[in-house]
Amino acid sequence: DVVMTQSPLSLPVTLGQPASISCRSSQSLVYSDGNTYLNWFQQRPGQSPRRLIYKVSNRDSGVPDRFSGSGSGTDFTLKISRVEAEDVGVYYCMQGTHWLWTFGQGTKVEIK
Amino acid sequence: EVQLVQSGAEVKKPGESLKISCKGSGYSFTSYWIGWVRQMPGKGLEWMGIIYPGDSDTRYSPSFQGQVTISADKSISTAYLQWSSLKASDTAMYYCARHVAVAGSVDPWGQGTLVTVSS
Repeated sequence: DVVMTQSPLSLPVTLGQPASISCRSSQSLVYSDGNTYLNWFQQRPGQSPRRLIYKVSNRDSGVPDRFSGSGSGTDFTLKISRVEAEDVGVYYCMQGTHWLWTFGQGTKVEIK
Repeated sequence: EVQLVQSGAEVKKPGESLKISCKGSGYSFTSYWIGWVRQMPGKGLEWMGIIYPGDSDTRYSPSFQGQVTISADKSISTAYLQWSSLKASDTAMYYCARHVAVAGSVDPWGQGTLVTVSS
């Protein structure tokens, strides 16, 4: 299985400040069609996961533009340009290139 | 609007059987894989398996193979996750999610079904 490793696992952030989460995969996530199927999900307390980003950097409809994704191959990053109170929750990366799809351990974002 | 609506919370005893459901609407149910994800209390997300309702092709995570059964009834646009003999360690939230092949991703997710197994 492809192992997805996130860091940090806990991220206290001051409101209005930026935040960055790293996600590394144990093997390349480039699929045979040339696409890289790396996703980011947000899970707010008591809610289902919600997709924020797909194929590394494509933001879902309704996702604020303060969220951005980048990276390639095995190294990926989710950035929040200015953290707001509603961003509190756990963020997961997930690879959809190799079955069995796998998630990172999750990064808990909280307000300092 | 594409939606997945899951069945309600369950409280069961060890050894009992259970089948939970996930009903899709707003899209062609037979054309997309549906996956099941487990989230144990306070823990992360784990893929259990996926099913293609069009032909019932099913793939399981090795961790869950033989422990659960995934099925679908395309006539009522519903996927299922089933246990024949529950254990206390099956206590968790279970989510279904639709796979979107062109994105290599899953969206949307169901609201989750909480399963509690306790004597």
